[in-house]
Amino acid sequence: DAKTTQPNSMESNEEEPVHLPCNHSTISGTDYIHWYRQLPSQGPEYVIHGLTSNVNNRMASLAIAEDRKSSTLILHRATLRDAAVYYCILRSLQGAQKLVFGQGTRLTINP
Amino acid sequence: GAGVSQSPSNKVTEKGKDVELRCDPISGHTALYWYRQRLGQGLEFLIYFQGNSAPDKSGLPSDRFSAERTGESVSTLTIQRTQQEDSAVYLCASSVNGQGPYEQYFGPGTRLTVT
Repeated sequence: DAKTTQPNSMESNEEEPVHLPCNHSTISGTDYIHWYRQLPSQGPEYVIHGLTSNVNNRMASLAIAEDRKSSTLILHRATLRDAAVYYCILRSLQGAQKLVFGQGTRLTINP
Repeated sequence: GAGVSQSPSNKVTEKGKDVELRCDPISGHTALYWYRQRLGQGLEFLIYFQGNSAPDKSGLPSDRFSAERTGESVSTLTIQRTQQEDSAVYLCASSVNGQGPYEQYFGPGTRLTVT
């Protein structure tokens, strides 16, 4: 599975936008970029995914670089409930369909 | 609708005993996954079921670990002769179909403590 690199931790203030980066320089053409988050003492929760184009949903936006070697998860207006570990995961349509979790980015939101 | 449920939520067992963990996936989901998360660590894949296909067991750490799934329904993860290093949260997830970029829905997990 292609590897992703994320900062270990980030901090932001409530009601401000948050940009969470992810590098995936070895991404292949069939890899989707998925983001999950894990709130304290809970199982992971799907956030968003994309292939080539930027994506928006009710939770967040995903901005994908033109060369697809990096992406950014954007939380438009962070709340205290967004404090979690965010995982950027590459998921190929070929081979195993498991999710390979790295260490993720621990996001702290200050009130 | 109902999400993925797991039971028990907590299990404390003595070293050497066998344990069974249960997962009830979302109705209609053909794919089911088991993961393990040790304290302060990321999730590790254990096993994947897709419909009636042979399961992907590539993540099972030893032959003490096994899992079964009845059709597209409930799954049980069995750990025989538990060891202290088996202590972790065991998470189950289900997906509409494993053959595609479909999101996985996770249960709340079973926290296993081996004393």
